[in-house]
Amino acid sequence: QQQVKQSPQSLIVQKGGISIINCAYENTAFDYFPWYQQFPGKGPALLIAIRPDVSEKKEGRFTISFNKSAKQFSLHIMDSQPGDSATYFCAASMGGAGNMLTFGGGTRLMVKP
Amino acid sequence: DAGVTQSPTHLIKTRGQQVTLRCSPISGHKSVSWYQQVLGQGPQFIFQYYEKEERGRGNFPDRFSARQFPNYSSELNVNALLLGDSALYLCASSLDGGGTYGYTFGSGTRLTVV
Repeated sequence: QQQVKQSPQSLIVQKGGISIINCAYENTAFDYFPWYQQFPGKGPALLIAIRPDVSEKKEGRFTISFNKSAKQFSLHIMDSQPGDSATYFCAASMGGAGNMLTFGGGTRLMVKP
Repeated sequence: DAGVTQSPTHLIKTRGQQVTLRCSPISGHKSVSWYQQVLGQGPQFIFQYYEKEERGRGNFPDRFSARQFPNYSSELNVNALLLGDSALYLCASSLDGGGTYGYTFGSGTRLTVV
């Protein structure tokens, strides 16, 4: 049973545009929500993470928006660059950052020059 | 500092064979987890170890086993390989097994079963 649903599966954005990826979860016990970036042939790399006590977190061009009541969270990439072209995964865990991660299905982002 | 190191990087095995994958965590990290990533999908949790004790196991058959050594390195073993075991196997390490620090992933071992 998939507990974290991610959309869209693929996304094409022009350079300088905003990329938006959405995730929804079912388990209200989740308390840590990271986003990972994965390039071909590499393992996922942590981009940014949020806990449910805040509604938004920003790090550079990357922002997580979190809606606890809707059980949804999203990643916004501002001023998207061709170098951002990668697969992005949302994830969730319960009991904190060091515990088992449940991943979404991934979004393949292509940023066109 | 070296990141999470996995070996081998690529592996081809025949159905029915056994395979052992190895992982060296970041120095000082005491927790290691294993994930399976089938092409085009998100990683799926297999095992978590902390201080050489199994802390969690995902929904995988008993053909999958793992262990963590006193130096915190880890091995993942898969017996009686099936075609469906073909995937990227990821190891991730964390400073602790609890809620403070997140995981750093290695680049994985690409296993192909023919």
